[in-house]
Amino acid sequence: DVKVTQSSRYLVKRTGEKVFLECVQDMDHENMFWYRQDPGLGLRLIYFSYDVKMKEKGDIPEGYSVSREKKERFSLILESASTNQTSMYLCASSSKFYSYEQYFGPGTRLTVT
Amino acid sequence: GNSVTQMEGPVTLSEEAFLTINCTYTATGYPSLFWYVQYPGEGLQLLLKATKADDKGSNKGFEATYRKETTSFHLEKGSVQVSDSAVYFCALSFYGGSQGNLIFGKGTKLSVKP
Repeated sequence: DVKVTQSSRYLVKRTGEKVFLECVQDMDHENMFWYRQDPGLGLRLIYFSYDVKMKEKGDIPEGYSVSREKKERFSLILESASTNQTSMYLCASSSKFYSYEQYFGPGTRLTVT
Repeated sequence: GNSVTQMEGPVTLSEEAFLTINCTYTATGYPSLFWYVQYPGEGLQLLLKATKADDKGSNKGFEATYRKETTSFHLEKGSVQVSDSAVYFCALSFYGGSQGNLIFGKGTKLSVKP
């Protein structure tokens, strides 16, 4: 059974903290994505990576960075968390051969207080 | 630019009712079109797809037809069940690109009452 796992389902952090969200996939996929999901705004792409050590900015990269040191792992980093980064964060992966079929993790609901 | 517009929810139906969720798109070129579903507490999963005009995607009783002339990809189901309660996302991508970026609509929440 294919799987994308995220390190936490719920996370509460304080303003100014550095936050790491981890995502691991076991499908040997080349592509990995980070989205945030907000009511009324749908899914917005933060960053994506199509290979190890490669990264590309999505639609809303400000305030975020990413790291992909290994093919199976894609980390999202909030350098200094702010309250407007309170959101649901979804990780996804896809193969370069069936790139449209993204497999999603269950999400991390992050609250920044 | 490329974008997807879908009807706002929430949509509330009784069990066995007919479902339509409208989706239209704007795109330069010829995208592939998708419906993703998000059940409560889960991530999104691909429901169905269509890669060219007049294709019909279908899965689990849901159907959608790629209409190039109206730039639409409406989701339909003849008889909904309580278990269909979820958020539905319409999306587009440009098939053949190895990076597969999807552009999503804002989602439509469906609630089905017994």
